[in-house]
Amino acid sequence: AQSVTQPDIHITVSEGASLELRCNYSYGATPYLFWYVQSPGQGLQLLLKYFSGDTLVQGIKGFEAEFKRSQSSFNLRKPSVHWSDAAEYFCAVGASNYQLIWGAGTKLIIKP
Amino acid sequence: DSGVTQTPKHLITATGQRVTLRCSPRSGDLSVYWYQQSLDQGLQFLIQYYNGEERAKGNILERFSAQQFPDLHSELNLSSLELGDSALYFCASRGPNNSPLHFGNGTRLTVT
Repeated sequence: AQSVTQPDIHITVSEGASLELRCNYSYGATPYLFWYVQSPGQGLQLLLKYFSGDTLVQGIKGFEAEFKRSQSSFNLRKPSVHWSDAAEYFCAVGASNYQLIWGAGTKLIIKP
Repeated sequence: DSGVTQTPKHLITATGQRVTLRCSPRSGDLSVYWYQQSLDQGLQFLIQYYNGEERAKGNILERFSAQQFPDLHSELNLSSLELGDSALYFCASRGPNNSPLHFGNGTRLTVT
């Protein structure tokens, strides 16, 4: 069955520290991969996407993600988090028709 | 600002009632998607329209229906409302080819 797993419901990181949010998927073929961020009271905003090519993709707000086919993972990273990064982060996978399968989300809490 | 407009922002209604949620996609986007986000179910795809025609259905209840009008705005109709329908309802639109989804800020529905 197709699925997306974000194993961490909450993650707490100190401001200025590095961040890695995990995303594992189960999918029949190489999917399109996405990370979205949702701030409180807001809709989801695309951070980055992977379709093909270089497995390390750069996104907005200093985020990057690496596609690892052997591990069926697409982890999101940021070298130094800012208080404004506090939000919920969603990983999604899907086919080209954009019927995305969404992870349950990881809530990022920033410690001052 | 994603360019996707949803109205109203909040809706409070009683069980058994019917409501209509409205979405205006980004200028030029032909595809509109509806999602439901609740605490227990996460983000669930409901239905997709493309240029006025239904393109795909997800976990949409029979009590729910949607349409996309010639001016490309879309409406999601929820009827015989139950307490469990309380959720955030998001609309997203997408341009051609590999364009990503752009989400509105959602309508928060509370059924009492």
